Amino acid sequence: EIVMTQSPATLSVSPGERATLSCRASQSVSSNLAWYQQKPGQAPRLLIYGASTRATGIPARFSGSGSGTEFTLTISSLQSEDFAVYYCQQYNNWPPGKTFGQGTKVEIK
Amino acid sequence: QVQLVQSGAEVKKPGASVKVSCKASGYTFTSYGISWVRQAPGQGLEWMGWISAYNGNTNYAQKLQGRVTMTTDTSTSTAYMELRSLRSDDTAVYYCARGMDHFDYWGQGTLVTVSS
Repeated sequence: EIVMTQSPATLSVSPGERATLSCRASQSVSSNLAWYQQKPGQAPRLLIYGASTRATGIPARFSGSGSGTEFTLTISSLQSEDFAVYYCQQYNNWPPGKTFGQGTKVEIK
Repeated sequence: QVQLVQSGAEVKKPGASVKVSCKASGYTFTSYGISWVRQAPGQGLEWMGWISAYNGNTNYAQKLQGRVTMTTDTSTSTAYMELRSLRSDDTAVYYCARGMDHFDYWGQGTLVTVSS
């Protein structure tokens, strides 16, 4: 199973500042990487797939980068509605199975 | 608009089974697979498996093999996830989501509580 490790566990950021979240895979997943946002009591929301393609309706302040084993989600200027938990997820073909990182909580500084 | 509407909360005893439904609307059901993801209280997301709504092919997480069955009813555009031999650590919110690899639309979640 591919293990996804996210860092940091918690990120304290002031509104308007830039947030950079990291995700590392235990083996290469090429660009088969997605990012999700989850707010309390809600289902996750797809932000990025293919490591860098924004999903429908996602604001341009969200961007993804990386390939292989190292990935980054950047929120260029944090808005109040962006404080949430963010998960990365790999969907490489082999080994079979999809796995999520443990999440990064973005909180107000 | 695409919607996935799940069945309501369940309380089950250890050893029992639960079957959660997920009714899709707003798109051609057979054009996409349905995946199931669960989230234990205060924990992260765990992928459970996927079913093709086109031909019924499935791919289950190794740790759940033998206990989980995913099915679809194309006549009602509904997907089902059955989990058997429930244990306390199966207590979680269970989500259905559209897609095989990444998941662009999600149901609202179904809380399954396993308690004696």
